[in-house]
Amino acid sequence: AQSVSQHNHHVILSEAASLELGCNYSYGGTVNLFWYVQYPGQHLQLLLKYFSGDPLVKGIKGFEAEFIKSKFSFNLRKPSVQWSDTAEYFCAVAAPNNAGNMLTFGGGTRLMVKP
Amino acid sequence: NAGVMQNPRHLVRRRGQEARLRCSPMKGHSHVYWYRQLPEEGLKFMVYLQKENIIDESGMPKERFSAEFPKEGPSILRIQQVVRGDSAAYFCASSWDRGNEQYFGPGTRLTVT
Repeated sequence: AQSVSQHNHHVILSEAASLELGCNYSYGGTVNLFWYVQYPGQHLQLLLKYFSGDPLVKGIKGFEAEFIKSKFSFNLRKPSVQWSDTAEYFCAVAAPNNAGNMLTFGGGTRLMVKP
Repeated sequence: NAGVMQNPRHLVRRRGQEARLRCSPMKGHSHVYWYRQLPEEGLKFMVYLQKENIIDESGMPKERFSAEFPKEGPSILRIQQVVRGDSAAYFCASSWDRGNEQYFGPGTRLTVT
C-alpha cells in the first residue's frame, strides 16, 4: 500500500523568505505526484503535478517541485513567499496502474506567512 | 465551466439519523471519488465510482456507508445511523478519465450531535 509523509506539520515564515516543504512517499512502482493547496475557507486546488518527463515541474503562483526518484521525494519550493500563500498544503500520490487510481494524501502542512 | 459542486456545505445530524451528501462532477467528468478528512488529519480515500459502477470501495467503512453514482443525477454518499465519529469533512473529486488529475469540490462538513 502507498503512504505519504509530510515532515513539517506547521511552518511559519516571514514574507520574502524561501519555502521548502518536504514530501516522501513509499511505493515501489510508477507514481503520479501532486501538490494541492487549501486556502482558508476554500476547497483543494491543484498547485502542480508530475506524471513523467522533466522531474522539475513548475506550478501556479511561482511554486515548483522536484521529483527525486532515488529518494522517493517530491518537495515543494517557492523562492519568495507572500502573505497570500498562507494555506494548508497537501502532497498526494496516485498509482496509475491500480484500478482505483485513488489519491493517497500526506497529513498536510499548515503554512503561515507573517507580513 | 462550473467546478465540482457539493451540497449541502454544512450538515448537522443527531446520532442515529441518516446523512446524504451529494456531489455533481465537473461537466464532462464521469469519474467520481469521495474522500474523508477527520479533524487534524489528511484526506483519506473512501470510494471511486464511474457512472452506475463502484470501481473501488476499499476505503469505505464496512457498515453504514454506501455510495452510488446513477446514470442521471449526482453521486450520493449515504451514511446511515450516524455516530459522533462520523463528524468530518467529506470531499468529492472528479476526473475526466481514470489517470487524469482530480478536481475537488468545496466539501460537506458533517457534524453529528
